[in-house]
Amino acid sequence: EVQLVESGGGLVQPGGSLRLSCAASGFTFSSYWMSWVRQAPGKGLEWVANIKQDGSEKYYVDSVKGRFTISRDNAKNSLYLQMNSLRAEDTAVYYCARVILSLSFDYWGQGTLVTVSS
Amino acid sequence: QSALTQPRSVSGSPGQSVTISCTGTSSDVGGYNYVSWYQQHPGKAPKLMIYDVSKRPSGVPDRFSGSKSGNTASLTISGLQAEDEADYYCCSYAGSYTPHWVFGGGTKLTVL
Repeated sequence: EVQLVESGGGLVQPGGSLRLSCAASGFTFSSYWMSWVRQAPGKGLEWVANIKQDGSEKYYVDSVKGRFTISRDNAKNSLYLQMNSLRAEDTAVYYCARVILSLSFDYWGQGTLVTVSS
Repeated sequence: QSALTQPRSVSGSPGQSVTISCTGTSSDVGGYNYVSWYQQHPGKAPKLMIYDVSKRPSGVPDRFSGSKSGNTASLTISGLQAEDEADYYCCSYAGSYTPHWVFGGGTKLTVL
């Protein structure tokens, strides 16, 4: 059974940093692109970042470029999102999701809440 | 990277059909056959319902169908059931120069 479990969310002050993790199981993690997608409270979904199977390619939504870094450790079946210079508008539930060949997201974690507030 | 346009809400009675539209541009919906749809119940993670415009993952009822014409994609749910009440989001790959994805703003489906 495919499972994605996020962790690392919490309350952080504006300008602060946080590192999210996503533990994957039930599939060959190293064979898939992976993504982070976020959802602000009461709002819609927003794609945040993608990373290729071997970590050689990474892509970001414009609003987080230069502040967020996606990475992965295939030996640990884990996906990460390092978030720096956090802003109030980054407040959201962050989901990790698996990307399939059809360029859609077929499995999602339960999400982890990040709140940026003073 | 503008969001795709969806109606804020739609409704229908049990057994009826509803269609949710998703309008983008030639750079996303109109440019690729990589449109997907997600169902999200309150407090839950999104669930993939349709991919590649019209394909259903294993386990998704055939009451759910997808289509596309030009820059607009559509999700049709026939034989509405109470458990279909949820938020629905469309998503399109929008590669152009660098790979990225855009979602619609979401549509709240109410089963009357």
